[in-house]
Amino acid sequence: TQLLEQSPQFLSIQEGENLTVYCNSSSVFSSLQWYRQEPGEGPVLLVTVVTGGEVKKLKRLTFQFGDARKDSSLHITAAQPGDTGLYLCAGGATNKLIFGTGTLLAVQP
Amino acid sequence: ETGVTQSPTHLIKTRGQQVTLRCSSQSGHNTVSWYQQALGQGPQFIFQYYREEENGRGNFPPRFSGLQFPNYSSELNVNALELDDSALYLCASSYDMPGPYQETQYFGPGTRLLVL
Repeated sequence: TQLLEQSPQFLSIQEGENLTVYCNSSSVFSSLQWYRQEPGEGPVLLVTVVTGGEVKKLKRLTFQFGDARKDSSLHITAAQPGDTGLYLCAGGATNKLIFGTGTLLAVQP
Repeated sequence: ETGVTQSPTHLIKTRGQQVTLRCSSQSGHNTVSWYQQALGQGPQFIFQYYREEENGRGNFPPRFSGLQFPNYSSELNVNALELDDSALYLCASSYDMPGPYQETQYFGPGTRLLVL
């Protein structure tokens, strides 16, 4: 069974701080995606990484796929209240996405 | 907005009842996947339909069933509801059947089901 564990589970920080969210698995994935989900809405895709060691940047967000394609990280620089939400990693498997356990981020003004 | 719509937005049922949830895919998308998301957790894959045929199923009992129609809209049916079925049910559509590198899936806002 392919599982994705995220850490931390909860994170409450002040505006302007930096943070990193981790997504780990014992399984290899062909691709890994990061989503953000806000209350009352479905997950929205932030990025897809497919190559081991790949780094992608999206404004203040930096995503990295591990060399062995088993883990990933999301780093946010100078967090803002608008970054608040549930962050989900998801591994690409045949016909489906396997979602991680989620990290709930609250950024206080 | 993703263009994926779901109805109803909220639903309250009692244990043992049956429920049908509906999803309208984004225009041009022929694949729909359904997920169950318990409070504070990541979504769990229920099943996927590609061009009206089931194309993969997660670890859910047979009382969870689905349909995809010729216009690619979809239904999720759950029979004999249990308390643990209380969750947010998400559908996601994609342009084509996800391959090894995953066609991007676009999620609807979900249906919040409460079973009493």
